[in-house]
Order: sequence, then structure tokens, then C-alpha cells
Amino acid sequence: EVQLVESGGGLVKPGGSLRLSCAASGFSFSNAWMNWVRQAPGKGLEWVGRIKSKINGGTTDYDAPVKGRFTISRDDSKNMLFLQMNSLKTDDTAMYYCTTEFWGCYNNWGQGTLVTVSS
Amino acid sequence: EIVLTQSPGTLSLSPGERATLSCRASQSVSNDYLAWYQQKPGQAPRLLIYGASSRATGIPDRFSGSGSGTDFTLTISRVEPEDFAVYYCQQYGSLPRTFGQGTKVEIK
Repeated sequence: EVQLVESGGGLVKPGGSLRLSCAASGFSFSNAWMNWVRQAPGKGLEWVGRIKSKINGGTTDYDAPVKGRFTISRDDSKNMLFLQMNSLKTDDTAMYYCTTEFWGCYNNWGQGTLVTVSS
Repeated sequence: EIVLTQSPGTLSLSPGERATLSCRASQSVSNDYLAWYQQKPGQAPRLLIYGASSRATGIPDRFSGSGSGTDFTLTISRVEPEDFAVYYCQQYGSLPRTFGQGTKVEIK
């Protein structure tokens, strides 16, 4: 059974940093393309970015609002996905979901971790 | 960036009725790479449909997707009590991936 468990969320001040983690199990993590998707309270879904598998280059792509501030990385030896978030803004307040990518859509989701950016 | 517009915003139905949800793209979605998700309160979204019309694993056949190019539809043939939720479309034909704003299917 596929399991994705996010952690690392919490309250942070504007301008601060936070690192989210996603522990994966039940599938071949090293071959998977992984994504982060977020959802502001009471709002819709927003793609944050993705990281390809190392065999496909391990490259990353980001949505414009987070490009240059957020960095996605992976540790295939530990089946872990990370999201380093710097220069956080109040608009970054959201539930952050880790997902697997299936031909570009998202077939497995974690339960999410809540990030609140507030002074 | 492809903008997806979903309509209606809210759909009020009784169990057993047919639900028709629309998703319109601001430009053609490459290869009809359009997905639909269901999200219930307090839960993560669940993939229902990919490639505009293919059901994901374990999805009941009362859910069907259709359309191509810029106009897509999710149909629930007979709404069950567990189908009351918010539904999102998403395009994955180009970067950045984008979602529609959602359609809420509520009990009438």
C-alpha cells in the first residue's frame, strides 16, 4: 500500500524558513516523479512544484509564485521528499500535500501538513 | 499558463440525480491531458479521471469523463450520498500544472 506522510509544518513569521518532509513507502520511490501541491484555507488546489526521478535527470520545476524561494529535493536512500521554503510570505499559508505523479496527474496523496505564516 | 474555469460553482442535487460538471480551458489542453479529483472535507483529494476519460483505479463506473481540446465534462450518472464533495479539474499537458477553482456538489 502506498503511503505518503508529510511533516514539518507549523507557525513561522513572514520572511522565515521552514523545511517540509514527506516519508514515502509502498512503491518504488527512486523511480517516482514527486510533487508538492498546496491548498490555502478554504481555497482551491495549487501546484507548487515537482522533482523528476534521478534516472530522468532529477530536475525540478516550480510554479512562478514560489520559484527562487522554494527548493524541492529528494533522498532516494531514505525514500524521503523535501520542500525547503525560504522568504515565506503570508500568502504561503496553506496545507501542503506530497503527491506521486502518474503521467502528470496525482494518483497518491499524503494527509498534508499545515504551514501558517503569520506575525 | 492555462487557466481552467469550472462551472457551476455549486450544484445542488438530490441522491439519484445526474451531475454534470464543466471545465473550460483558456487554451487547448495538450493531448487532452485533463484530470478530475474529488475532495471531501478534511481529506486529501482523490484522483477520479485522467486523460479526460479514463477512470483511476477503484473509481466506480458512475463517474465518467469526456471532452477534448478546451471543453471537458465530468458526469456522475446517479449521485450517491458519498459523492457530495468538491470536484477539481487539472491540466497536465503543460507547465505550470493548473487546477480549476472547483465545483461543490451539495445535497439539495
